[in-house]
Amino acid sequence: DAGITQSPRHKVTETGTPVTLRCHQTENHRYMYWYRQDPGHGLRLIHYSYGVKDTDKGEVSDGYSVSRSKTEDFLLTLESATSSQTSVYFCAISGQGATEAFFGQGTRLTVV
Amino acid sequence: QKEVEQNSGPLSVPEGAIASLNCTYSDRGSQSFFWYRQYSGKSPELIMFIYSNGDKEDGRFTAQLNKASQYVSLLIRDSQPSDSATYLCAVSGGSGGYQKVTFGIGTKLQVIP
Repeated sequence: DAGITQSPRHKVTETGTPVTLRCHQTENHRYMYWYRQDPGHGLRLIHYSYGVKDTDKGEVSDGYSVSRSKTEDFLLTLESATSSQTSVYFCAISGQGATEAFFGQGTRLTVV
Repeated sequence: QKEVEQNSGPLSVPEGAIASLNCTYSDRGSQSFFWYRQYSGKSPELIMFIYSNGDKEDGRFTAQLNKASQYVSLLIRDSQPSDSATYLCAVSGGSGGYQKVTFGIGTKLQVIP
């Protein structure tokens, strides 16, 4: 299995609080992604990174920010959590020249 | 129009039968096509990828690609109860760029013993 670790695995937070999810990889892959998965919508790309300090928006980026200060870590921050951000969040990685993505275990986030 | 369309199912097939999962995509410039399997409560795992028109076989799995029709399919022969999962079609290489992968909502497959 690809070396991807997401933390925390589960989190319950209150509306309006900031939340940071962490993705850590040991594969030295260039590309890292954050997706959210919701019933009826499938996996939707939030943000992705194509290198240290290089990030770009996906299709559902509003309310989210990301940072990548090291190759191995990609952080997703919900600036002020809302109930609509209750979801399962997946981190994924892929290598240069390959678009096959390998996924972390997921983080189940509940905003109450 | 969604970029990647799949019937959400469930698709029910008897054990030992062939399961046929279908996917259409809207971006004609798409170049890479993937099938992921996701068990309930787990993360997606890659089972097949295909880049060229035609068929690609791997064990009991066959991926089929028809770029002219913008159609991708996955056949699972001799279906087993352990194949019961949601199958996600994914596409990349279109206007979103080579590294941005777009997923369908997934088709839930149920293999009945």
